[in-house]
Amino acid sequence: TQLLEQSPQFLSIQEGENLTVYCNSSSVFSSLQWYRQEPGEGPVLLVTVVTGGEVKKLKRLTFQFGDARKDSSLHITAAQTGDTGLYLCAGPLSGGYNKLIFGAGTRLAVHP
Amino acid sequence: DAEITQSPRHKITETGRQVTLACHQTWNHNNMFWYRQDLGHGLRLIHYSYGVQDTNKGEVSDGYSVSRSNTEDLPLTLESAASSQTSVYFCASSEYQGEADTQYFGPGTRLTVL
Repeated sequence: TQLLEQSPQFLSIQEGENLTVYCNSSSVFSSLQWYRQEPGEGPVLLVTVVTGGEVKKLKRLTFQFGDARKDSSLHITAAQTGDTGLYLCAGPLSGGYNKLIFGAGTRLAVHP
Repeated sequence: DAEITQSPRHKITETGRQVTLACHQTWNHNNMFWYRQDLGHGLRLIHYSYGVQDTNKGEVSDGYSVSRSNTEDLPLTLESAASSQTSVYFCASSEYQGEADTQYFGPGTRLTVL
């Protein structure tokens, strides 16, 4: 059974701090995606990583795909209050295309 | 601008009633998905469709059904609502057939079954 475990579940920090959240699995994934979800809205895709060891940057956000393609991390530099939200990692489910399995998410609160 | 909408945004119903949640997308995407989101579980796939007249069961399909009569709509029906189906439901769509395609999500429907 494919599972994605995210840690930590909750993170509360001050503006300007750095943070890293993790997405881990015992299964190999061909790709992993990170979504951000704000209260009352649906998730929005931030990035897709497809190659083991790949690093992608999106302004202050850095995403890394593990060499073995079983894990990924999201690092935020100098967090801002606008970064507050639920961060979800997702990977393709076997047995069909474009079906996703999601982790339970990391809920981030950035305080001024 | 293309979008994906869900209605109603909030619904309260009673155990045993049939409920239908609407999902409408103007992206002209072939792929559409229904997920439910519960605390501690993330999003779980209920049903999905790769085109008109195509429907498939996801990992938590018991008690739910879908039909796809056109490209734009994928309504989700709870045949006999149960309290365990209290959740937030999200519809999504995507364009391509690759594994790493972007899914575009609607704003969600919060369903409470009393």
